[in-house]
Amino acid sequence: DVVMTQSPLSLSVTLGQPASISCKSSQSLVYRDGNIYLNWFHQRPGQSPRRLIYMIFNRDSGVPDRFSGSGSGTDFTLKISRVEAEDVGVYYCMQGTHWPFTSGPGTKVDIK
Amino acid sequence: EVQLLDSGGDLVQPGGSLRLTCAASGFTFRNYAMSWVRQGPGKGLEWVSVISGRDFVTHYADSVKGRFTISRDDSQNTLFLQMDSLRAEDTAVYYCVKEVSAVKSGTGDNWGQGTLVTVSS
Repeated sequence: DVVMTQSPLSLSVTLGQPASISCKSSQSLVYRDGNIYLNWFHQRPGQSPRRLIYMIFNRDSGVPDRFSGSGSGTDFTLKISRVEAEDVGVYYCMQGTHWPFTSGPGTKVDIK
Repeated sequence: EVQLLDSGGDLVQPGGSLRLTCAASGFTFRNYAMSWVRQGPGKGLEWVSVISGRDFVTHYADSVKGRFTISRDDSQNTLFLQMDSLRAEDTAVYYCVKEVSAVKSGTGDNWGQGTLVTVSS
């Protein structure tokens, strides 16, 4: 199975400051159609996960442009340009290329 | 608006069975693959099973293969997960997840609210 690792596992950020989460996969995530199915999800306490980013850098509808995804190969990054109070929760990277699909352990973000 | 309403979770003894149901609305259900994803206490996201649209191809995680069965009723816009021989390690919140096409899963663009399955004596 593809192992997804994230760092840091916990992040305490001052409001208005940037935040960055790293995600690494144990193997290439290129699918047979040439796309890389690397997604980022955000889960607030007591809520379902919500997809923020798909295929590395595409923002979902309604996702603020302070969120951006980047990366290639086996290294990926989620950045928040200016953290807001509503951004607290756990962020997961997840690969949808190789079955079984796997996610990282999550990065918990809170406000300092 | 896409809506996915998960139900069927309960407290069950080891070795027991449960059937989860997901009622879908707001999109043409038959045109999309669907998945069940679970999240154990304090854990990440585990894609348990997927079923494609149109040709109903299924995949299972090794941890549930032979014990869980995914199915769908396109006439009722409903997704199911039959869970047999349940184990303590199956304890989790189970989410119904819509995929972005009939054939490609692992995309997860819409999620249900989740239903809690607890396996304990």
